[in-house]
Amino acid sequence: EAGVTQFPSHSVIEKGQTVTLRCDPISGHDNLYWYRRVMGKEIKFLLHFVKESKQDESGMPNNRFLAERTGGTYSTLKVQPAELEDSGVYFCASSQGPIGSLVYEQYFGPGTRLTVT
Amino acid sequence: ELKVEQNPLFLSMQEGKNYTIYCNYSTTSDRLYWYRQDPGKSLESLFVLLSNGAVKQEGRLMASLDTKARLSTLHITAAVHDLSATYFCAVIRSNDYKLSFGAGTTVTVRA
Repeated sequence: EAGVTQFPSHSVIEKGQTVTLRCDPISGHDNLYWYRRVMGKEIKFLLHFVKESKQDESGMPNNRFLAERTGGTYSTLKVQPAELEDSGVYFCASSQGPIGSLVYEQYFGPGTRLTVT
Repeated sequence: ELKVEQNPLFLSMQEGKNYTIYCNYSTTSDRLYWYRQDPGKSLESLFVLLSNGAVKQEGRLMASLDTKARLSTLHITAAVHDLSATYFCAVIRSNDYKLSFGAGTTVTVRA
């Protein structure tokens, strides 16, 4: 079974440009999460989808970030326009059911390293 | 907001020696995870700790949980080179849907 995949693995863009990150969850996983690790700090939650619906986007830093999950399969995270402080590693994770039930596990992708210069 | 503090942030280990990574969290949680990440790879779940006094061991790694102290430790016995990685602890409360992570401990094992 394929794990969570993310594309690209690394992106280098200039300040003011746009970047779109993609996450493909494990097949059949309705729950999809985005997290971010900035500058060697803790990994922070960004948002959570159940199928195509956003359940919580309280962790999104600002309106330069837009996440979508059309059709409830893969998800994209667009940063427009990118700023220097957006540099970091963006992780995607998926789970079959709600991890708060303490029944289901969350599986992480390898992350996309975003560098804004 | 649930806060997780992990220390040390960097750990240079000598092969064959023992070391401990600490993870403190601010409020009651129902499950604690330890993850390992190798550069460019996914976070790999090492241990899931559920209850006070829980202890789990796998190879040279042993994790324990003290819910009263809100403290978990990851003990490394006789470090070897292939344990070099970044280790994260994370916690979650029941009925929540997001993990709260520590900042990670970057471990380098030298000969």
